Amino acid sequence: DIVMTQSPLSLPVTPGEPASISCRSSQNLLHYNGYNYLDWYLQKPGQSPQLLIYLGSNRAVGVPDRFSGSGSGTDFTLKISRVEAEDVGVYFCMQGLQTPITFGQGTRLELK
Amino acid sequence: QVQLRESGPGQVKPGQTLSLTCAVSGRSITTGGYSWSWIRQSAGRGLEWLGYISHSGSTDYSPSFKSRTTISMDTSTSQFSLSLSSMTAADTAVYFCARSLTNYGKFDYWGRGILVTVSP
Repeated sequence: DIVMTQSPLSLPVTPGEPASISCRSSQNLLHYNGYNYLDWYLQKPGQSPQLLIYLGSNRAVGVPDRFSGSGSGTDFTLKISRVEAEDVGVYFCMQGLQTPITFGQGTRLELK
Repeated sequence: QVQLRESGPGQVKPGQTLSLTCAVSGRSITTGGYSWSWIRQSAGRGLEWLGYISHSGSTDYSPSFKSRTTISMDTSTSQFSLSLSSMTAADTAVYFCARSLTNYGKFDYWGRGILVTVSP
């Protein structure tokens, strides 16, 4: 199985400040079609996960442009340019290159 | 707008088989290019993908669950189901159904989840 490792696991952020989450995979997620099969999800308190970023850097429909995804191969980053109160929750990375599909442990973002 | 909703028992006994159903609305489950997954979440294990069934009825299971998991679909009612046998306390979790692209992730629609507790 591909192991996904996130850091940090806890991220206190002052509203209006930027935030960054790292995700590393145990195998290369770059498909031969040129896309990285890496998604980012946010699970807000009491809700199911929601898609933020797919194929490494593509924002899902309705996701604010303060969210961006980057990286390739085994190292990926989710950045929030200016954190807002509604961004609180747990962020997960996930690989879709091969089954079993696997998720990172999650990074809990909270406001200072 | 696609909507998914899980239903089933909130509690099962050790050794029993869990049966959950996911009702899909807003999109046919036989629409090409999509697969329908079961994912669970527990405090100890985080998010775990159990398996999926494609629009054509083919299935793929996580090796960790393959021996005791069956995912099926009923196109007449636009539902797909999970059967997980030999339940133990370690299977206590919130179970989600979700839609993804076939041969890739991108889970764009999720159900709200159903908490299943395994206890005597």
